[in-house]
Amino acid sequence: QKEVEQNSGPLSVPEGAIASLNCTYSDRGSQSFFWYRQYSGKSPELIMFIYSNGDKEDGRFTAQLNKASQYVSLLIRDSQPSDSATYLCAVGGNYGQNFVFGPGTRLSVLP
Amino acid sequence: GAGVSQSPRYKVAKRGQDVALRCDPISGHVSLFWYQQALGQGPEFLTYFQNEAQLDKSGLPSDRFFAERPEGSVSTLKIQRTQQEDSAVYLCASTRRSIPYNEQFFGPGTRLTVL
Repeated sequence: QKEVEQNSGPLSVPEGAIASLNCTYSDRGSQSFFWYRQYSGKSPELIMFIYSNGDKEDGRFTAQLNKASQYVSLLIRDSQPSDSATYLCAVGGNYGQNFVFGPGTRLSVLP
Repeated sequence: GAGVSQSPRYKVAKRGQDVALRCDPISGHVSLFWYQQALGQGPEFLTYFQNEAQLDKSGLPSDRFFAERPEGSVSTLKIQRTQQEDSAVYLCASTRRSIPYNEQFFGPGTRLTVL
């Protein structure tokens, strides 16, 4: 059974701080890794994807992948109250395309 | 179209009724996915189509769940004899490219409530 784990939170950070969200996965053969943001009552919205070990930066967001440790993280710099949402980690299967999602981490950015 | 659309957005069914949920993927996207999301949980995979072919249905929870995509575009998820545990948001997603560049884009979901 492929598993993706995240701390459910809530993770509270002050406005302007760096928020660090973590995710571990069990399937060592996974090829693709995604971070989605989901506001309450809305559908998941793709923020970033990463396929190779290392860091990938996009604006205030940085995704970090370490396949050896089976670990992927998302850093949000200069956090804003509008970043308050649930962040879902998703891992793409190695033979199929079906994603396995983590339970999500609820982030609260305090003004 | 501009994005993935789903209908209806909300559906209330009495236990035992059959329901049909529709998904229109982004134009040109060959792959289509259905997920079930319970309150406070991440989406759980139900089934996957590539064009009209259903390549993976391992996530369908019972034989009451059936999905089709006969012409490789619009898909319908059908739930027969609904039960209270079927209450959830049903999400549809589509993707243009294949592994590993398989970013999925989600529709707004259908919230199903079974009374």
